[in-house]
Amino acid sequence: KAGVTQTPRYLIKTRGQQVTLSCSPISGHRSVSWYQQTPGQGLQFLFEYFSETQRNKGNFPGRFSGRQFSNSRSEMNVSTLELGDSALYLCASSVSDTQYFGPGTRLTVL
Amino acid sequence: DAKTTQPPSMDCAEGRAANLPCNHSTISGNEYVYWYRQIHSQGPQYIIHGLKNNETNEMASLIITEDRKSSTLILPHATLRDTAVYYCIVRAGSLTGNQFYFGTGTSLTVIP
Repeated sequence: KAGVTQTPRYLIKTRGQQVTLSCSPISGHRSVSWYQQTPGQGLQFLFEYFSETQRNKGNFPGRFSGRQFSNSRSEMNVSTLELGDSALYLCASSVSDTQYFGPGTRLTVL
Repeated sequence: DAKTTQPPSMDCAEGRAANLPCNHSTISGNEYVYWYRQIHSQGPQYIIHGLKNNETNEMASLIITEDRKSSTLILPHATLRDTAVYYCIVRAGSLTGNQFYFGTGTSLTVIP
């Protein structure tokens, strides 16, 4: 089976812009979770979608949002980018109890 | 919040067994122990998980103490490619959601 794919792999934006990141889960996986990884805060849970519904949400401002489509593909959006949003954004899909991570999208905000 | 404690770093000689400890003294009866590793700037890679019994797969072995308050991940014959940050995570089953709370992990360096 193909693994979790994320696009784009690298992205450079400027402050105030918005960005959309995409995640395609492993075939058959209905749960998609998003994480942010920064050197200072480590890996932090953003939110999880299951069957097109947000099931859990981490402690992030409303500028961070996401959605899931009927084919389980997911997108996350960050509006009004800040310098501190520079990070590796990771997507993970799961079936039953184990999460499988994608390679991540490296976002740099200038 | 992460519910685990791991040493920040460890070294291991190539070809020897790497034993990575994890303390999870507040683990609940329905919580699993998961291990992931992350090679620099890549996505975390699933290694193994368990509830009560010891587990083994092609990558590693997981030894969970009888009281379940700690566990050890064993890489039987470490290679240079095993150099990574290893995360121990405890979480309940997926009925409550699939969020993982990562701690700071153990940075394992395999030395030639």
